[in-house]
Amino acid sequence: AQTVTQSQPEMSVQEAETVTLSCTYDTSESNYYLFWYKQPPSRQMILVIRQEAYKQQNATENRFSVNFQKAAKSFSLKISDSQLGDTAMYFCAFMKHVIPEGAQKLVFGQGTRLTINP
Amino acid sequence: DGGITQSPKYLFRKEGQNVTLSCEQNLNHDAMYWYRQDPGQGLRLIYYSQIVNDFQKGDIAEGYSVSREKKESFPLTVTSAQKNPTAFYLCASSIVSGRGPYEQYFGPGTRLTVT
Repeated sequence: AQTVTQSQPEMSVQEAETVTLSCTYDTSESNYYLFWYKQPPSRQMILVIRQEAYKQQNATENRFSVNFQKAAKSFSLKISDSQLGDTAMYFCAFMKHVIPEGAQKLVFGQGTRLTINP
Repeated sequence: DGGITQSPKYLFRKEGQNVTLSCEQNLNHDAMYWYRQDPGQGLRLIYYSQIVNDFQKGDIAEGYSVSREKKESFPLTVTSAQKNPTAFYLCASSIVSGRGPYEQYFGPGTRLTVT
């Protein structure tokens, strides 16, 4: 079974600073996907960024980027130039890549509560 | 606009009563999912369905039931057998064919309180 661990329950930074959220996972699968989801106070889950395990290049989406270390089973999220709107719970999630293709569950970490202070 | 709707946003029930949570999507996604979120924990999968009239148990299916009579709808019933039903429930959907990853899109959630 896969597990996802986020070791930082809470983090707090000043606006415009850079912050890195940690995520490690455990799996015996060789091909899979990793995601970061954001859950603001509205509780709507929003996809921030995704990474395919077979791709060595780290994914980036504007101010959000990841550091994917497959051998270490690490998938950290870096937020640059943080904004007040980045305040939210952030969840790291794992999904197997199976063949034949089909619906697959997301396995979530416990989340990191990030607060951006003005 | 395409999306996922869940109703109601807040739901209150007495212990011993069954309650059904609604989830509708107009994204034309084949797969739908139900997750449960408890304080201090990540989301856990209750049930999922890849196709109409077919569904699979997730990690915490005990005390829950689902149906998938239409592609757009995937209601979740929380039965009286569920020991700790008070939680935040999230519905999601995704495609299941073509090039992955099959990222899941979430609805706004339903907060269920059972007293």
